[in-house]
Amino acid sequence: DIQMTQSPSSVSASVGDRVTITCRASQAFGSWLSWYQQKPGKAPRLLIYEIFRLQSGVPSRFSGRGSGTEFTLTISSLQPEDFATYYCQQANSFPWTFGQGTKVEIK
Amino acid sequence: QVQLRESGPGLVKPSETLSLTCTVSGGSINSYYWTWIRQPPGKGLEWIGYIHYAGSTNYNPSLKSRATISVDTSKKQFSLELISVTAPDTAVYYCARSPRAEYFQDWGQGTPVTVSS
Repeated sequence: DIQMTQSPSSVSASVGDRVTITCRASQAFGSWLSWYQQKPGKAPRLLIYEIFRLQSGVPSRFSGRGSGTEFTLTISSLQPEDFATYYCQQANSFPWTFGQGTKVEIK
Repeated sequence: QVQLRESGPGLVKPSETLSLTCTVSGGSINSYYWTWIRQPPGKGLEWIGYIHYAGSTNYNPSLKSRATISVDTSKKQFSLELISVTAPDTAVYYCARSPRAEYFQDWGQGTPVTVSS
C-alpha cells in the first residue's frame, strides 16, 4: 500500500495567513492526488483533484501542486470558514489511501 | 443538486453482518462511480471500495474479502454488506459519488455504526 504522510499534523494560524500542508507518499506516483476538507461532525468535502484541479465551487484561495512523492495544499489567505481538518488521498495504486489529516486551528 | 443519504442499523453485534444502503436523489445513478468510505471515531478516513453503475467493483484488501458493494439502478440505491464484523468496524460510514473512481466528489452525511454486543 502507498502510505501518505501529512505534515504538520496540526497548525495554528490567524485569519489572513498563508497556510501550506504537505503530503508525502511512500512511493512516487502519477496524478491522482486529491485534497478534502472536513469540519467536525460533517462529511469531507472535495477541494482539489488530480493534484491541482479545483473542484467546482471551491474558492480560488485553495491551490494544489506537486509531483512524484511530495504534494502540497496551500490556502493563500485563511478565512474563518477554513478552520478544519484536511486530508490528502492517493488513487494511483490500490488500495486508495488517505493521509492522517492536518488540523488547521485558530491561533 | 444530488443528495446521498446513508441508512442502516446503528448497532450491529459482533460476528453479524452490517448492511448499509445509500439512496440517491436529485441525480442519476448512471455514469458514476459509487464508493463507501469509513471513519472510526476520532480517526482518519479509510476507503472501503467502489462500484461502477455498470457493475465493476474494487475493494480494499484490508477488509479481507468481507465487503460486498452492489447497485440497484432501478431504486437509485447502492449498498454495502460487511460480514463478520468486529469492534474495529465501528465507524461513521459514508457513501460518495464521482464521475471517476479516483476521487470522491459528492458525499452523504454519514451514518454511525457501532459493533457491540
